[in-house]
Amino acid sequence: EVQLVESGGGLVQPGGSLRLSCAASGFTVSSDYMNWVRQAPGKGLEWVSALYSDGRTFYADSVKGRFTISRDKAKNTVSLQMNSLRPEDTALYYCARDKGYCGNGVCYGYNWFDSWGQGTLVTVSS
Amino acid sequence: EIVMTQSPATLSVSPGERATLSCRASQSAGSFLAWYQQKPGQAPRVLIYSASTRATGIPARFSGSGSETDFTLTISSLQSEDFAVYYCQQYNDWPLTFGGGTKVEIK
Repeated sequence: EVQLVESGGGLVQPGGSLRLSCAASGFTVSSDYMNWVRQAPGKGLEWVSALYSDGRTFYADSVKGRFTISRDKAKNTVSLQMNSLRPEDTALYYCARDKGYCGNGVCYGYNWFDSWGQGTLVTVSS
Repeated sequence: EIVMTQSPATLSVSPGERATLSCRASQSAGSFLAWYQQKPGQAPRVLIYSASTRATGIPARFSGSGSETDFTLTISSLQSEDFAVYYCQQYNDWPLTFGGGTKVEIK
């Protein structure tokens, strides 16, 4: 069974940093396509970042240059390092999996999400 | 960036009735469109991908249609567990973008 468990959220001052972690079970993060999606309180969903199995990374313009997505194969986790945090980064951060597919020896991300964690709350406030 | 616009923002429907939700893209998303359901306090769950393919375990009362810029999610006969917020998401281009959501509430 696929399971994703986020951790690392909390209260941080504007300009501060935080590192979120997503522990995966039931699959291998290095073989699939991992994403972070956030949801501000009472608002809709916003895609934040993706990490492809081949190492490519993608970011929303709103976080580019401030956030970094990475993985630890040994721990089967994905992380989101968040620097220069702003009040508008306040949100529930979800880890989401894209299982992708392979054909003719090449693998691709679907770029939609079949499994989600329960989220970790990040609050940026002084 | 492809902007996704969902309508209506809120849909009031009686149990057993049909619900039709709309999602419009600011430019072509092809058939690269997914629908998610989110209940209060829960993570989203994928219902539909590739505009019209039901995800594993999703009941047949959920159906998706459309292509390019206009998409529709239809719930043929609303059950009590279907009252939730629904989001569309395009994955034709980066950045991946979601619509603002449609809340389906009990009439």
